[in-house]
Amino acid sequence: NAGVTQTPKFRVLKTGQSMTLLCAQDMNHEYMYWYRQDPGMGLRLIHYSVGEGTTAKGEVPDGYNVSRLKKQNFLLGLESAAPSQTSVYFCASSPVRGVGETQYFGPGTRLLVL
Amino acid sequence: GDSVTQMEGPVTLSEEAFLTINCTYTATGYPSLFWYVQYPGEGLQLLLKATKADDKGSNKGFEATYRKETTSFHLEKGSVQVSDSAVYFCALSDRGAQKLVFGQGTRLTINP
Repeated sequence: NAGVTQTPKFRVLKTGQSMTLLCAQDMNHEYMYWYRQDPGMGLRLIHYSVGEGTTAKGEVPDGYNVSRLKKQNFLLGLESAAPSQTSVYFCASSPVRGVGETQYFGPGTRLLVL
Repeated sequence: GDSVTQMEGPVTLSEEAFLTINCTYTATGYPSLFWYVQYPGEGLQLLLKATKADDKGSNKGFEATYRKETTSFHLEKGSVQVSDSAVYFCALSDRGAQKLVFGQGTRLTINP
């Protein structure tokens, strides 16, 4: 049982390049999330999904797109990377909505945009 | 909107010292409250949680009590260890939204 995994672990991009971050979970969770972590700002929600085929915007969605074609996978895309997108990206998942449900986090992807 | 404010870090303590990390929140309704911990090079993991007023969450010697009257959820541990060195995040989850709102994190370093 791997939990939440993220690919890749680290990536360097040039401004304007595109890439996709992959998140996979094997816990059969309905909800999945993408966050970015920046120094002194905690984690901020980019996009989330409440089930296969559905996505919604979070707090900082600009410059990112997501897709949830399979229940176990949640992809985060950067179409044209900018230096402001240099960050550590975390994926998380949780079971169906409930009071006080825990989110389970992946190990993170460190992205550097030059 | 909902928000979480944590005490400024970094915090440096000696082993066996008493730890308090302050957390206050602003929210409409009655959120659930969480403490997550991030060890070096890893993702976040749940440390403890409380889902209603006056509940106490506890785990690994850490405790936090949901205080509705002071809108606080302070993290405490009576005797810290070097292995507790990590970044600690306070967070809330609005009952309707199923989304977490995080504080900025507090980096804790414990010296032997």
